[in-house]
Amino acid sequence: GAVVSQHPSRVICKSGTSVKIECRSLDFQATTMFWYRQFPKKSLMLMATSNEGSKATYEQGVEKDKFLINHASLTLSTLTVTSAHPEDSSFYICSARAGGPEVGEQFFGPGTRLTVL
Amino acid sequence: GQNIDQPTEMTATEGAIVQINCTYQTSGFNGLFWYQQHAGEAPTFLSYNVLDGLEEKGRFSSFLSRSKGYSYLLLKELQMKDSASYLCAVTDSNYQLIWGAGTKLIIKP
Repeated sequence: GAVVSQHPSRVICKSGTSVKIECRSLDFQATTMFWYRQFPKKSLMLMATSNEGSKATYEQGVEKDKFLINHASLTLSTLTVTSAHPEDSSFYICSARAGGPEVGEQFFGPGTRLTVL
Repeated sequence: GQNIDQPTEMTATEGAIVQINCTYQTSGFNGLFWYQQHAGEAPTFLSYNVLDGLEEKGRFSSFLSRSKGYSYLLLKELQMKDSASYLCAVTDSNYQLIWGAGTKLIIKP
């Protein structure tokens, strides 16, 4: 099956620092990658959708200058949380889709737990 | 607006059967997914329904009625490892995936 990796799995940082999270599709080319965040006992919240080689599309309420997304290749997307604050502490999950939107199924990475002190 | 409803929490006994319901109101429909998510982990794919009827996969089955905007996930021969949250998600007319809040399933011995 399709495998998506995320790195790091867990990160603790001080307030004001920036954190980069990598998402890689290991055995397929991901035309589209998605970034979600999930607070405890809450549902997944889509933050942005990124297509390889183009700018990410952010969901309403998500600050694109704070959450920088780069989808430089068909196997790698990165999310950078800039000037992180305690309220940014959350579980960040990426997913990848191999084909067009009609394909539907997204393959999820294992997630990154961010704690901002 | 778009909405997906599923129960917040359910409890069942090991070895028994449980049905988790999901109703949806979305702008268009291009498929319904069920995912399993253990605490602290990312979701894993369970099933996909795009046509009406029952899809069976081992101990898990998923049913869809598009006319009723309704689906259920049926888990048989429950095991303790089935304790998890079960997420219902619908792809709308724009192929955007709309997520339900998830149903936390607690399995008791």
